[in-house]
Amino acid sequence: NAGVTQTPKFRILKIGQSMTLQCTQDMNHNYMYWYRQDPGMGLKLIYYSVGAGITDKGEVPNGYNVSRSTTEDFPLRLELAAPSQTSVYFCASSSSDKETQYFGPGTRLLVL
Amino acid sequence: QKEVEQNSGPLSVPEGAIASLNCTYSDRGSQSFFWYRQYSGKSPELIMSIYSNGDKEDGRFTAQLNKASQYVSLLIRDSQPSDSATYLCAVKPGGATNKLIFGTGTLLAVQP
Repeated sequence: NAGVTQTPKFRILKIGQSMTLQCTQDMNHNYMYWYRQDPGMGLKLIYYSVGAGITDKGEVPNGYNVSRSTTEDFPLRLELAAPSQTSVYFCASSSSDKETQYFGPGTRLLVL
Repeated sequence: QKEVEQNSGPLSVPEGAIASLNCTYSDRGSQSFFWYRQYSGKSPELIMSIYSNGDKEDGRFTAQLNKASQYVSLLIRDSQPSDSATYLCAVKPGGATNKLIFGTGTLLAVQP
């Protein structure tokens, strides 16, 4: 049981490039979330999903897109990377009957 | 806007002392409250959850909730250097989804 896994662990992007951050969970959780964490700041919700085929915007969705084709996977897409997207990205999941969120190890992204 | 406020610290305590971490929240309809611990460069991990007014104890950790004052705290007894980390308060606002609002975290430093 791996829990929540994320790839890559670290990536450097040039301005304007695109990439997909991968997130997979093996706990059969319905709910999945993407957060970003800037230095000295709390976690800001980017997008979340309550089940396959259902996604919704969080607090800071601009510049990002998501999809949820399966229960297990919840990729986050950056289409035109900007320096403001330099951050650490965490994926999390929770079951529909319990509110505890379990976090992946994070992806550190640097946009230059 | 629904908010969760924490003192950023650092809170410095000597080894063996009690560390007291505090959090206030703005949404009176909030029902669920969580404390996460985050070591530097790592992902958040759940320490405690609390849902009812009063105290909840788990080992050296005690969570305290006062809904009337919109205040939740975490006490760490017999603090150890290994407790040095950032502690994030998270609140589930009133509503149907499992979204959490996170505070910016309090950095705790336990001095040996």
